Amino acid sequence: GNSVTQMEGPVTLSEEAFLTINCTYTATGYPSLFWYVQYPGEGLQLLLKATKADDKGSNKGFEATYRKETTSFHLEKGSVQVSDSAVYFCALSFSNDYKLSFGAGTTVTVRA
Amino acid sequence: DAGVTQSPTHLIKTRGQQVTLRCSPKSGHDTVSWYQQALGQGPQFIFQYYEEEERQRGNFPDRFSGHQFPNYSSELNVNALLLGDSALYLCASSWTGTVAINYGYTFGSGTRLTVV
Repeated sequence: GNSVTQMEGPVTLSEEAFLTINCTYTATGYPSLFWYVQYPGEGLQLLLKATKADDKGSNKGFEATYRKETTSFHLEKGSVQVSDSAVYFCALSFSNDYKLSFGAGTTVTVRA
Repeated sequence: DAGVTQSPTHLIKTRGQQVTLRCSPKSGHDTVSWYQQALGQGPQFIFQYYEEEERQRGNFPDRFSGHQFPNYSSELNVNALLLGDSALYLCASSWTGTVAINYGYTFGSGTRLTVV
């Protein structure tokens, strides 16, 4: 079946540090890939997405590139802020599907 | 503009009991999906309701059932609760016919269910 594997957390960083969260997937076919973020006490929010190989999704300083050859969609940010502290989820879905398949999530804490 | 509203926020039930969770979709949305998020895990798709019918279902037993009302709000019912049903239950709403890749899903903050 389809699945998403994320880097285990928690991850603790200092402000202005570089953040990377690894995500790899297993799927039959070519899914669309997503990063969702969950801030404390809130619902999941879409952070960025990519729908085909070599697409780069970007938002709020975060970036991720769809790599078909390595079945990966790693999330990166060059300089994190305290406000980036959250749980980050990698997910996939297909064009004819109504559901999202999520990874286990990675908790990121940024210290001032 | 209110987003997705879920109630209650927290709930404690005893094993074997039944529970009903409620969701009001974002204004303008007519489709509701339910997800289960166990502690330390990602959300797992339970089912989606559209036009008052279950349109797609994940790998959950029949103890999990749902309903959608004419005003598009939805209920998730779980019968014969097990300890393993303890989780955060998330509701997500979207607009007619939106598949997941259209990223039109808006998530609520969830209901935390504890089964003791």
